[in-house]
Amino acid sequence: DTGVSQDPRHKITKRGQNVTFRCDPISEHNRLYWYRQTLGQGPEFLTYFQNEAQLEKSRLLSDRFSAERPKGSFSTLEIQRTEQGDSAMYLCASSLETGENYGYTFGSGTRLTVV
Amino acid sequence: SQKIEQNSEALNIQEGKTATLTCNYTNYSPAYLQWYRQDPGRGPVFLLLIRENEKEKRKERLKVTFDTTLKQSLFHITASQPADSATYLCALVKGQAGTALIFGKGTTLSVSS
Repeated sequence: DTGVSQDPRHKITKRGQNVTFRCDPISEHNRLYWYRQTLGQGPEFLTYFQNEAQLEKSRLLSDRFSAERPKGSFSTLEIQRTEQGDSAMYLCASSLETGENYGYTFGSGTRLTVV
Repeated sequence: SQKIEQNSEALNIQEGKTATLTCNYTNYSPAYLQWYRQDPGRGPVFLLLIRENEKEKRKERLKVTFDTTLKQSLFHITASQPADSATYLCALVKGQAGTALIFGKGTTLSVSS
């Protein structure tokens, strides 16, 4: 297992288009998290899953955002009708249970640019 | 509202000195606090965790303290090296243990040789 993988690494899209990102967590990790990070800011929590159940969503996650984790393995984050304000790095992380003992393992992120 | 503040956006020190980074929080009672390192264009990497009943935790050249009365954590890097240059993030569980981590904005450390 080589860690958390995110695809694509970079995405440039036109305003109004839909985009989908994929995250493959560490296989034995049952928790998966999505964060968004803009320049000079820390990661902002979007949502997390325990297995296939989406347990919490931030108020940052507008109706245009949806995340899934079918079968409790990989996850996808979709943004519909993208806006320029959606431009950011989208980070995925995974952990065992709460991540309390070993922290989160992050992927390298997907950088989204909306033009 | 709940808030995490890291003392400064940037810290510049000379090689060999000790770097001290501060994380303050308000309106939390976190069960534990974590520190992460982030390099440009990469995801954060977990460094250390300290629990509310622990005063201090060490790992090699790193030391973290946690004062729940002051609502503050200090992160020290001793004998700093240019390779320690990165952004350091503190993170807290925002609610009960089991909910997601909330991160501070980070402090960017630059170590010059």
